[in-house]
Amino acid sequence: GENVEQHPSTLSVQEGDSAVIKCTYSDSASNYFPWYKQELGKRPQLIIDIRSNVGEKKDQRIAVTLNKTAKHFSLHITETQPEDSAVYFCAAPQRGSTLGRLYFGRGTQLTVWP
Amino acid sequence: NAGVTQTPKFRVLKTGQSMTLLCAQDMNHEYMYWYRQDPGMGLRLIHYSVGEGTTAKGEVPDGYNVSRLKKQNFLLGLESAAPSQTSVYFCASRGTGEAYEQYFGPGTRLTVT
Repeated sequence: GENVEQHPSTLSVQEGDSAVIKCTYSDSASNYFPWYKQELGKRPQLIIDIRSNVGEKKDQRIAVTLNKTAKHFSLHITETQPEDSAVYFCAAPQRGSTLGRLYFGRGTQLTVWP
Repeated sequence: NAGVTQTPKFRVLKTGQSMTLLCAQDMNHEYMYWYRQDPGMGLRLIHYSVGEGTTAKGEVPDGYNVSRLKKQNFLLGLESAAPSQTSVYFCASRGTGEAYEQYFGPGTRLTVT
């Protein structure tokens, strides 16, 4: 199966600064890379995803970049706000993804200090 | 639409007891999943289903069984609970084809003493 590694495990930033979380994956055939956000006591929710035919995708203050050669992808949050504080998970699919399985990283606890 | 719902929200079991967690979705999704979440371990797949009447093992299936008798429901069973099964359990579902997003339920916090 896929091996997804996520770094760092914890990240603290000052409000207004940028935050970057990185993930690596092992299966070169993987073609879909989502990021989920989980607020304390809540369910994970998709915030952004990227397909392997593009290198970058943006949605307001968040962006994801993908480097297929190096097999890594990153989440970038600019102008961070206290409400960005949460656990963020990256994921990658099983080879072919026809069965819809995702392998999740271990998560990054982001804390944004006001 | 309620989306994905889970019952119960909380449960405390004694070692050796059994229980069933229920997941229901009203989005007509084919795929359904059960995950467990432990501190520092991310979301680990227990079992999943690619359609009514089908089930398959995930990364950590030991000690759990599942059933998908109806398309909208996915049941997770613990036959003989152990303290190592203390965790938060999440159910998720997704559609077919290019609709890759998984929608999660609110979770069930299970404590086994």
